[in-house]
Amino acid sequence: EAGVTQSPTHLIKTRGQQATLRCSPISGHTSVYWYQQALGLGLQFLLWYDEGEERNRGNFPPRFSGRQFPNYSSELNVNALELEDSALYLCASSRRGLGTEAFFGQGTRLTVV
Amino acid sequence: SQQGEEDPQALSIQEGENATMNCSYKTSINNLQWYRQNSGRGLVHLILIRSNEREKHSGRLRVTLDTSKKSSSLLITASRAADTASYFCATALPNSGYSTLTFGKGTMLLVSP
Repeated sequence: EAGVTQSPTHLIKTRGQQATLRCSPISGHTSVYWYQQALGLGLQFLLWYDEGEERNRGNFPPRFSGRQFPNYSSELNVNALELEDSALYLCASSRRGLGTEAFFGQGTRLTVV
Repeated sequence: SQQGEEDPQALSIQEGENATMNCSYKTSINNLQWYRQNSGRGLVHLILIRSNEREKHSGRLRVTLDTSKKSSSLLITASRAADTASYFCATALPNSGYSTLTFGKGTMLLVSP
């Protein structure tokens, strides 16, 4: 069974640009979660998608957005990049809800210069 | 906002010793989970303990949960160099219907040969 896959592995962008990160969940999982892990700040919850809808959002500005496609894969878009957006972005998938076990991808390392 | 907080922030031990990490949380939970992260990669699920359970074992791992104190501990017995990683506790937010996991900042464990 294939795990959660994220692409790209690394991404370097210039301040002010837009970044698009992609995630494919485990087959049969309908929920996709996005987390930001900046140095020294632990994992910060960004977004939760389930069945194509945004179900919950963390304390991040609107320039962090995303979507979930009919095949349950997901995109995270970060507009107007700032230097402090540099972080490891982790995607996780699970069977819907109820705080069940989450399976993580290896992450996308975003560097904003 | 962080729901769980791990303690200590860092722990250094010798191979063969036991390692104990603690987690405190703030709100009611339906379960608590522990994850491991190797050097900035994706998180791997270790164990889930439900709110009506007090102790759970998995191989060399032992997890306890005290809901009256809102705390949990993870014990790794007979540690190995391969156990070197960051360990996170995770709980689900009540306001998300317990469907969104939040993580603490983690305990960094170093096991020396």
